[in-house]
Amino acid sequence: SYELTQPLSVSVALGQTARITCGGNNIGSKNVHWYQQKPGQAPVLVIYRDSNRPSGIPERFSGSNSGNTATLTISRAQAGDEADYYCQVWDSSTAVVFGGGTKLTVL
Amino acid sequence: QVQLVQSGAEVKKPGASVKVSCKASGYTFTGYYMHWVRQAPGQGLEWMGRINPNSGGTNYAQKFQGRVTMTRDTSISTAYMELSRLRSDDTAVYYCARDPGGLGDYELNWFDPWGQGTLVTVSS
Repeated sequence: SYELTQPLSVSVALGQTARITCGGNNIGSKNVHWYQQKPGQAPVLVIYRDSNRPSGIPERFSGSNSGNTATLTISRAQAGDEADYYCQVWDSSTAVVFGGGTKLTVL
Repeated sequence: QVQLVQSGAEVKKPGASVKVSCKASGYTFTGYYMHWVRQAPGQGLEWMGRINPNSGGTNYAQKFQGRVTMTRDTSISTAYMELSRLRSDDTAVYYCARDPGGLGDYELNWFDPWGQGTLVTVSS
């Protein structure tokens, strides 16, 4: 079965750039999607198909995907960006797969 | 606007079943796959399966095969997820989430929006 690996936590200073990785075997050949989940709330889509932002998501959120790693980048991090972030792909053998999630702390 | 509203929290005993509903509004219910995802306390997201609201066809994650049943009532634009033979480790928040792409070749395999979640607690 296909697996996605994320760091448990990432810290970033206020106003700096945070990068959250998502590792998987040849993940660059798949479409990767990212969700933000704040405490007590449902997940919200922030990036779809590697690097596309839904309407209403700030331009500070961007994504890339190549080789065995996809990356969610949050520029000019704000206190309101503190949340758990999950990557997700669809795999032909496993169907929908989520990464384990990364807790982003803004210092 | 597209909205998914789920039923309220449930408390069940081990061995019982639970049925969670997800009422859709703001779009044509039969035109988009509905997925179910759960999240145990302090844990990550786990995909359970999906339903084609037009045909009623379902695909379940192997882990839940034989215990989960997904259905829909098109007359009231509502999807349902029933989980049977509940165990304590089924305690979780259960979410419905729409694939925004459409049916068949139009599916996109990402989720937007999500319902607000339904907490199911399994305890004796």
